[in-house]
Amino acid sequence: SQQGEEDPQALSIQEGENATMNCSYKTSINNLQWYRQNSGRGLVHLILIRSNEREKHSGRLRVTLDTSKKSSSLLITASRAADTASYFCATESIQGAQKLVFGQGTRLTINP
Amino acid sequence: EPEVTQTPSHQVTQMGQEVILRCVPISNHLYFYWYRQILGQKVEFLVSFYNNEISEKSEIFDDQFSVERPDGSNFTLKIRSTKLEDSAMYFCASIRMGLNTEAFFGQGTRLTVV
Repeated sequence: SQQGEEDPQALSIQEGENATMNCSYKTSINNLQWYRQNSGRGLVHLILIRSNEREKHSGRLRVTLDTSKKSSSLLITASRAADTASYFCATESIQGAQKLVFGQGTRLTINP
Repeated sequence: EPEVTQTPSHQVTQMGQEVILRCVPISNHLYFYWYRQILGQKVEFLVSFYNNEISEKSEIFDDQFSVERPDGSNFTLKIRSTKLEDSAMYFCASIRMGLNTEAFFGQGTRLTVV
């Protein structure tokens, strides 16, 4: 079964810097999504990129998708302390009941 | 803004007891899911539910687990005889339609089996 894998597992940067997180997966997908999770809380959807898209922007977020390499990246520009959270990529397979398969997540810490 | 609500937020139960975790998905959504997250680990798919039946389930979702949509609003996950390893955060999610749509997650129920 497919599995999203993020790297790095943990990232610590200074406020104002850009944060880049990567995700790799194994099988063909309909789309790839990024979610954010504050400690002990639920998952909040950030952005969805379809398999026929290569790049997508939403505010300070930029997501890329390379289906030939089965990888995606999430860039957060001009990071803020409030961006501190765990970030997960999740893939929706071309098969199956639209379930999402999550990666291990990247724990992002923004230091003020 | 509509949201998925889950109750209780925290449940402590003794090993071997039955628990029911409750979820109210967003009202016009059609697909419903349960996921779990053992502390500090990845979010794992348990089961998906559409048109009043299970559409897919994972290996985790064994005979001890069941789901129901007893009325038009609630979506429940039952664990018949809890084990210590069932301790985790359980998340309910719903999707309005099928492909290429975002999932809305509840805040989760933290289940602690002692």
